Amino acid sequence: GAGVSQSPRYKVTKRGQDVALRCDPISGHVSLYWYRQALGQGPEFLTYFNYEAQQDKSGLPNDRFSAERPEGSISTLTIQRTEQRDSAMYRCASSLGTGHTDTQYFGPGTRLTVL
Amino acid sequence: GQNIDQPTEMTATEGAIVQINCTYQTSGFNGLFWYQQHAGEAPTFLSYNVLDGLEEKGRFSSFLSRSKGYSYLLLKELQMKDSASYLCAVMDSNYQLIWGAGTKLIIKP
Repeated sequence: GAGVSQSPRYKVTKRGQDVALRCDPISGHVSLYWYRQALGQGPEFLTYFNYEAQQDKSGLPNDRFSAERPEGSISTLTIQRTEQRDSAMYRCASSLGTGHTDTQYFGPGTRLTVL
Repeated sequence: GQNIDQPTEMTATEGAIVQINCTYQTSGFNGLFWYQQHAGEAPTFLSYNVLDGLEEKGRFSSFLSRSKGYSYLLLKELQMKDSASYLCAVMDSNYQLIWGAGTKLIIKP
């Protein structure tokens, strides 16, 4: 695709429900990153993949958060038993190569609201 | 701990020049990025510095001093469309991007 796409763009859920957020990177981009961004703050790293391999998940807040990228393209970030503090903008970014300093291109984000 | 500091908000006049500063303290350094983020939109890449000095790209320039842990983004001939937040991010020794909170730039006619 022309850019990184994410779905849904908005998600409202009740506390305790599971949610799955999808990221479709730029075609051919090898690396994929997940971030969380609070209003008025910079992105906070969650995890990243090179191809299908999860390279670093040190930013995931706790074991309710998980991510996968089974075929090295689309990725899903899953949050189980959501809590109100999980409410945030979740952003995905992709980069062309595995070079860590490659430019990251961000998607429009998924605004998650947990009631 | 790791820390990126940049001013919360700045105001400038259309046609003028503005300098947005960023200071950092990180565990290791593998480069510094500047991103622009319009309200409600995704951050977009502006510049990358890994060596000391000034990188110029059109109306935007970015400067780095590694010894001082300091960078600035210089915007010339300001246009109304430059109103946005400008995010400074440093790649640390683990190749993680550490982000500042962003500087909201307000351009007045």
